[in-house]
Amino acid sequence: DAKTTQPPSMDCAEGRAANLPCNHSTISGNEYVYWYRQIHSQGPQYIIHGLKNNETNEMASLIITEDRKSSTLILPHATLRDTAVYYCIVRVHGANNLFFGTGTRLTVIP
Amino acid sequence: DAGVTQSPTHLIKTRGQQVTLRCSPKSGHDTVSWYQQALGQGPQFIFQYYEEEERQRGNFPDRFSGHQFPNYSSELNVNALLLGDSALYLCASSLLPDPTNEKLFFGSGTQLSVL
Repeated sequence: DAKTTQPPSMDCAEGRAANLPCNHSTISGNEYVYWYRQIHSQGPQYIIHGLKNNETNEMASLIITEDRKSSTLILPHATLRDTAVYYCIVRVHGANNLFFGTGTRLTVIP
Repeated sequence: DAGVTQSPTHLIKTRGQQVTLRCSPKSGHDTVSWYQQALGQGPQFIFQYYEEEERQRGNFPDRFSGHQFPNYSSELNVNALLLGDSALYLCASSLLPDPTNEKLFFGSGTQLSVL
């Protein structure tokens, strides 16, 4: 699996959009971009995934650049409950395992 | 609909002992994966079980072994515990083979402390 690079930490004001970047410059054509988050004392939670088109669901939006070398996870209206470590992962569709890095610790500030 | 459940939530052992951790997958799921998460690090893949067999294994020694039962629940066994085995052990379930179902569902983990 390709490696990803994320900033170690970010802050966001409550109610504002949180934009979490991820670099994956060595991504292969058959690798998807996945995002998971881990709230303190819980297991990771799936957020969203995509191949090359932008994706949106009830939790977030995923914007992937045209060259697929980077992506941004957008939480449109951050709440205190969104404070967590966010992991960006690239994975071959259907692969058995996920390779987590150290992620971005997002702190939502009141 | 029950999610992924793990037991126990916390466990304290001493070096050299053996430990067994348990996981029940989300209802309807047939595949279980185990991850180790050291403090301040992301989870690391240990192995995955499907149809009661180990499908893939990460870079972990043979001291780590597992089992899957006919009801899809799973156990993780660690022998000859080392201090470095202290970590949060996470279980994740999914449904395979289903290429449309790409979400892993994680339990809250078992916190293992080796003294």
